[in-house]
Amino acid sequence: EAGVAQSPRYKIIEKRQSVAFWCNPISGHATLYWYQQILGQGPKLLIQFQNNGVVDDSQLPKDRFSAERLKGVDSTLKIQPAKLEDSAVYLCASSLTRGRTDTQYFGPGTRLTVL
Amino acid sequence: AQSVSQHNHHVILSEAASLELGCNYSYGGTVNLFWYVQYPGQHLQLLLKYFSGDPLVKGIKGFEAEFIKSKFSFNLRKPSVQWSDTAEYFCAVIRTDKLIFGTGTRLQVFP
Repeated sequence: EAGVAQSPRYKIIEKRQSVAFWCNPISGHATLYWYQQILGQGPKLLIQFQNNGVVDDSQLPKDRFSAERLKGVDSTLKIQPAKLEDSAVYLCASSLTRGRTDTQYFGPGTRLTVL
Repeated sequence: AQSVSQHNHHVILSEAASLELGCNYSYGGTVNLFWYVQYPGQHLQLLLKYFSGDPLVKGIKGFEAEFIKSKFSFNLRKPSVQWSDTAEYFCAVIRTDKLIFGTGTRLQVFP
């Protein structure tokens, strides 16, 4: 079974530039998550989708971050404009359903460096 | 407020030593608890999880964890570590339907 795919794996940009990350979840998984992992910290949930609808985006900095999952499969996360403090690894995860007992499967992440 | 605390930030062991990594959570009620592992260069993967029932949970690769409700703890253990256990370990809890992670413990095992 193919895992969660993410691209690019690495990205270096200057502050005030924009950047986009792509995620393809495990086939058949209805729920998709984006996490931000700053160096030395655990992953923090940014946004959760159920199919193509947003379930929780309470921790997404909406003035600069946006995400979409238009057809209920792939998802993109965008940052515009980027700040120095956005340097982090952005992880995508998926699960079969929203159930509390469902395991979340993580992708390899995109390491973003903002200069 | 921090929901999940991992007090050991960096642990260094020799092969065959026993391992115990601490994890404490800070709220009551029904808890769903997890340990995830991230090997060097690899993605986060689930080691084990507790939802209910037997508080001693067995996971992959010989790991186990014990849920102690009175201590709000879910410590990870392995009787004899191997060099291949070198990784970062994250404890996590479901809170308001969100997976909340601790800050992680970096484990280095030397041959």
